[in-house]
Amino acid sequence: QVTLRESGPALVKPTQTLTLTCTFSAFSLNTSGMFVTWIRQPPGKALEWLALIDWEDDKYYRTSLKTRLTISQDTSKNQVVLTMTNMDPVDTATYYCARTVAVAGFTFVDYWGLGTLVTVSS
Amino acid sequence: DIHMTQSPSSLSASLGDRVTITCRASQSISRFVNWYHQKPGKVPKLLLYAASTLQSGVPSRFSGSGSGTDFTLTITNLQPEDFGTYYCQQSYSLIFSFGPGTKVDLK
Repeated sequence: QVTLRESGPALVKPTQTLTLTCTFSAFSLNTSGMFVTWIRQPPGKALEWLALIDWEDDKYYRTSLKTRLTISQDTSKNQVVLTMTNMDPVDTATYYCARTVAVAGFTFVDYWGLGTLVTVSS
Repeated sequence: DIHMTQSPSSLSASLGDRVTITCRASQSISRFVNWYHQKPGKVPKLLLYAASTLQSGVPSRFSGSGSGTDFTLTITNLQPEDFGTYYCQQSYSLIFSFGPGTKVDLK
């Protein structure tokens, strides 16, 4: 059974760097057509896609946050890490990691972690 | 980046109703649209991918159509578990983007 679990601090101060870890099981990021995606959702607001890493270690970022985001993987640990620098209160959100797959050329998110709420406050 | 819009932003419907939600992309994206449903406090769930392909286990009352820039999600015979927010998402570019969501509540 595919599972993903986000871990990281629940509270960060403005200007600090956020580091979130996604630990997953029952699939391998070494498999062709496999991706892990980070998505966030501010309280009461819409989903916002952040970053994606694929089986070839290619990385893609939300353009408006590209300078602040870094996504990386540790395949030996089945983990994907997202870092976001210079955190601001507007970055307060539930952060989800999710498995993304490519099927017949179409890519979609099929499994989600439960999410972790990150609050940015001094 | 590709910008996604949805209409309406919210709607009220009754059990058994037919509901239609529209999604529009800022450029042509072929059929690279996925639809998700999120209930309050829950994780989003994939409904359809490639504009019209039903994800395994999703009831057949959900259907999708469209290509290019305009897409539609239709729910026939609305059920109690269908209330919540629906999001479209484009995967034409691997810089994904979601629509702003359409909230469906009980009339």
